[in-house]
Amino acid sequence: AQSVTQLDSQVPVFEEAPVELRCNYSSSVSVYLFWYVQYPNQGLQLLLKYLSGSTLVKSINGFEAEFNKSQTSFHLRKPSVHISDTAEYFCAVKETSGSRLTFGEGTQLTVNP
Amino acid sequence: DAGVTQSPTHLIKTRGQHVTLRCSPISGHKSVSWYQQVLGQGPQFIFQYYEKEERGRGNFPDRFSARQFPNYSSELNVNALLLGDSALYLCASSLATQENTIYFGEGSWLTVV
Repeated sequence: AQSVTQLDSQVPVFEEAPVELRCNYSSSVSVYLFWYVQYPNQGLQLLLKYLSGSTLVKSINGFEAEFNKSQTSFHLRKPSVHISDTAEYFCAVKETSGSRLTFGEGTQLTVNP
Repeated sequence: DAGVTQSPTHLIKTRGQHVTLRCSPISGHKSVSWYQQVLGQGPQFIFQYYEKEERGRGNFPDRFSARQFPNYSSELNVNALLLGDSALYLCASSLATQENTIYFGEGSWLTVV
């Protein structure tokens, strides 16, 4: 079984400041890692994923996450946030041979002007 | 192309009633999964269906059931509703069972009173 811990339930930041949303996972088998974003009253959108290869993965809107196997972490970062980045962010894992996603509890990112 | 579509978007039911939620996957996708997202928590896996067969079941009581139709659309049924069943029910689709690109619908908000 897998578990995901998102270390911060709420992260308030000012516009144009950098941000890091922390995610740790636990699994006895190999997993793939994901970050999803959920805007108010909407479903989940895939932000980025790590499957293999380079441990640093990037999204088209400036977010990046780094897979750290030794620390079992997959933290999400953005060097400069916008008001529009305000949303709930979910870290998730999936067994490489499986099909179900296991999500963390979520981190509410609020960007203030 | 249409994304994952779910209906209804919002509904209110009384304890003890039954509810049916519907999902149409992205065209060409044969795998449908259902997740429950209670307010303030991450989504929890309920079921996965592929080619009309159940391929995975999460830790939910037998009051929860689902099926997939020949056109790959799916229904989630919940009997004997409890207050604790109030949640956002998310449908996700993918090409096959172990795909790593999983698309979510906007969800169906169920309130049990």
